[in-house]
Amino acid sequence: AQKITQTQPGMFVQEKEAVTLDCTYDTSDPSYGLFWYKQPSSGEMIFLIYQGSYDQQNATEGRYSLNFQKARKSANLVISASQLGDSAMYFCAMRDGAGYSTLTFGKGTMLLVSP
Amino acid sequence: NAGVTQTPKFQVLKTGQSMTLQCAQDMNHNSMYWYRQDPGMGLRLIYYSASEGTTDKGEVPNGYNVSRLNKREFSLRLESAAPSQTSVYFCASSESNRSPKRTQYFGPGTRLTVL
Repeated sequence: AQKITQTQPGMFVQEKEAVTLDCTYDTSDPSYGLFWYKQPSSGEMIFLIYQGSYDQQNATEGRYSLNFQKARKSANLVISASQLGDSAMYFCAMRDGAGYSTLTFGKGTMLLVSP
Repeated sequence: NAGVTQTPKFQVLKTGQSMTLQCAQDMNHNSMYWYRQDPGMGLRLIYYSASEGTTDKGEVPNGYNVSRLNKREFSLRLESAAPSQTSVYFCASSESNRSPKRTQYFGPGTRLTVL
């Protein structure tokens, strides 16, 4: 069974607008962590933001925030005030008790920011 | 700090050839990982090493071997390369398993083509 689902293969947004990238997950473990990574065209994987299952507040890192809805098992990434440099592939990933040390990745969403 | 480094950056092999991908980290992390990335598939875990002296299979270990040479270095070996192993290979590292966040930090990747 797929543990991480990213249903949007591609998204388009205009510069300075906000955009939400969807991620749903599946786990029966009460302790888990959710991560978002950015992969620009240069290929490197850049860590953006982390949300723990027991965290009371939604995570924020600068223009990135994570809309964590535990009951719906969703962990959407919100990018505010998009910039041209945000154009990249974005991956959602999860670590849960079953894979204590390892991450399971979704298939990614390609974001294109236009001027 | 260089973070996670990988060599080589690019490699072309013929079917049946062998090679070793090298990875080193200077962040004093205990855990290290090897992933492969194929178009439309996200990242899939090949092998990981939770700590020095241990290695475990991930989701797609067939055709690969690994060696955790010391705390810093984790190599991936293809004994007899096949065209199905054409992919981009990423090495990553993270803090001890006891850390609740355990963010993985990635190397720049190795683009491997098997003809």
